[in-house]
Amino acid sequence: DAKTTQPPSMDCAEGRAANLPCNHSTISGNEYVYWYRQIHSQGPQYIIHGLKNNETNEMASLIITEDRKSSTLILPHATLRDTAVYYCIDSPGSGANNLFFGTGTRLTVIP
Amino acid sequence: NAGVTQTPKFRILKIGQSMTLQCTQDMNHNYMYWYRQDPGMGLKLIYYSVGAGITDKGEVPNGYNVSRSTTEDFPLRLELAAPSQTSVYFCASSATGKLFFGSGTQLSVL
Repeated sequence: DAKTTQPPSMDCAEGRAANLPCNHSTISGNEYVYWYRQIHSQGPQYIIHGLKNNETNEMASLIITEDRKSSTLILPHATLRDTAVYYCIDSPGSGANNLFFGTGTRLTVIP
Repeated sequence: NAGVTQTPKFRILKIGQSMTLQCTQDMNHNYMYWYRQDPGMGLKLIYYSVGAGITDKGEVPNGYNVSRSTTEDFPLRLELAAPSQTSVYFCASSATGKLFFGSGTQLSVL
């Protein structure tokens, strides 16, 4: 079973920031937080990852709480093309054995 | 680099038939994975491999077999296709924790 929990769905107005939460209740010290998204029926696409510091790249920002039990993916200016299912997973940084995805959060960006 | 390549993209099988889903990667990744995704659901791990010659079961391995004779290839075998195996199958590879996915194989068993 997935080790993370996410809300099943969220809506966001186009141009607004989308904040997607994730709970990592069983994350261990050597595991990173990874976020992926899946647009329609394509293969999931990597977005961002982090260990304990906040991270930012060209796609998104990642906020990880100090106890690492929760994280938030932020899409600063959501567009219609960001409508997708977003997954958060816990993964060791140097390769991984079992990588379990849950059902993710379906984000719908509304015009 | 082509990344992760899956073939075929679509396939229809009759109950009881066999087939192999092909997956190859050109990134020299040690880790490879097979997932299935049923309509409206998340991804479930079928099998994974940590290197050539080493494979292990994931969450839903029943009805499937894998092999890993080379670093590049990780085929998934269905021996006796059943309607419950109708799904979209994704292959992925990684060197670190970052996964690279193929574009998927849509399989229907009728």
